[in-house]
Amino acid sequence: DAGVIQSPRHEVTEMGQEVTLRCKPISGHDYLFWYRQTMMRGLELLIYFNNNVPIDDSGMPEDRFSAKMPNASFSTLKIQPSEPRDSAVYFCASAGGDYTNNEQFFGPGTRLTVL
Amino acid sequence: KQEVTQIPAALSVPEGENLVLNCSFTDSAIYNLQWFRQDPGKGLTSLLLIQSSQREQTSGRLNASLDKSSGRSTLYIAASQPGDSATYLCAVRDDKIIFGKGTRLHILP
Repeated sequence: DAGVIQSPRHEVTEMGQEVTLRCKPISGHDYLFWYRQTMMRGLELLIYFNNNVPIDDSGMPEDRFSAKMPNASFSTLKIQPSEPRDSAVYFCASAGGDYTNNEQFFGPGTRLTVL
Repeated sequence: KQEVTQIPAALSVPEGENLVLNCSFTDSAIYNLQWFRQDPGKGLTSLLLIQSSQREQTSGRLNASLDKSSGRSTLYIAASQPGDSATYLCAVRDDKIIFGKGTRLHILP
């Protein structure tokens, strides 16, 4: 398996533009997690899905952020409109098994810069 | 509210030494704890996952222990090598997943 795949790897955009980040989880994994990493706040869980259903989105910072998982092999994280404070590295991770004992595997991340 | 702390934030040790990284958490009602390494500009690589019912896990030169009652986990690295230089993060899972800020480890050749 190729592991968790994220695209794009780097994104530079201007304030106010819409940004869409993409993730393909490991085949057979039914949990998918979106994280954001900054120097100030470290790694924060934004939202996670189980069997394509959002379970906990309490980490999503604002209504400007939205995430979807239309099928088991694809998820998107959208920011509209983007702001400079959204600049961060966004990671997607996937896991199999059940929530209490599954090991997470991370993608390489998308480095987002909002000017 | 669960809080996860990793001290020290940075550590430098000579090659060949054994070392211990620390992770502490405030609420002992966890499902599991996972250790990761992160190389600069890269994603996280899973090292070890310890279930709440387990005391330790081992993989090669790595050994992770868990003491839920005291809210502590340690990652022991034996015979350190320059390739072990990275940031090491722990993550605690209860109803949320909370990461520590990490320990940046530098192994001196």
